Amino acid sequence: QKEVEQNSGPLSVPEGAIASLNCTYSDRVSQSFFWYRQYSGKSPELIMSIYSNGDKEDGRFTAQLNKASQYVSLLIRDSQPSDSATYLCAVRGPGTGFQKLVFGTGTRLLVSP
Amino acid sequence: EPEVTQTPSHQVTQMGQEVILRCVPISNHLYFYWYRQILGQKVEFLVSFYNNEISEKSEIFDDQFSVERPDGSNFTLKIRSTKLEDSAMYFCASSEGIGSGYEQYFGPGTRLTVT
Repeated sequence: QKEVEQNSGPLSVPEGAIASLNCTYSDRVSQSFFWYRQYSGKSPELIMSIYSNGDKEDGRFTAQLNKASQYVSLLIRDSQPSDSATYLCAVRGPGTGFQKLVFGTGTRLLVSP
Repeated sequence: EPEVTQTPSHQVTQMGQEVILRCVPISNHLYFYWYRQILGQKVEFLVSFYNNEISEKSEIFDDQFSVERPDGSNFTLKIRSTKLEDSAMYFCASSEGIGSGYEQYFGPGTRLTVT
């Protein structure tokens, strides 16, 4: 079983719509969860972090965590063409090691004008 | 805003040669990391470093790899004898601490091409 699973996409949404990105993880004792955005040929850029169950909002982004279901999601409201990128879900320890991030393969998001 | 920097942006080397990739972490950060991403694949952890010691490493990080903090600002990854399969993007990251509330910030990466 893969440690962090994401649908590879692409997920296509029109400009102004809500994009919903999902991630599941296998290690029940994982404690920290992150969403990174990666443009083609660039490095991962931190978008959101979430550590406890529920929702966390930051501007147009909302991260949702459900530890019982081992599920993390990222909602992007009012999607813009500049949001077109690959979104990486990452999970950290203790089961994975307190320090290392374990990444999913990423979901490619395409926002059409 | 402080950021992680990496040099060079692109390194081409021949198989069997040694390469050193350089990183300057964010100045008040104490934990340093190397990750790699083979083209089309996911980002993979290599090693973490704290207080001048390796604190965690993956199975990828074998005897061909080493890390060092040669001075107060630089953090380096050395690959002793490069193989074709070492071709990848190498990302340095740093964090102020570990555990909840501490996030890792990535540098722009070094693209390593082994021919």
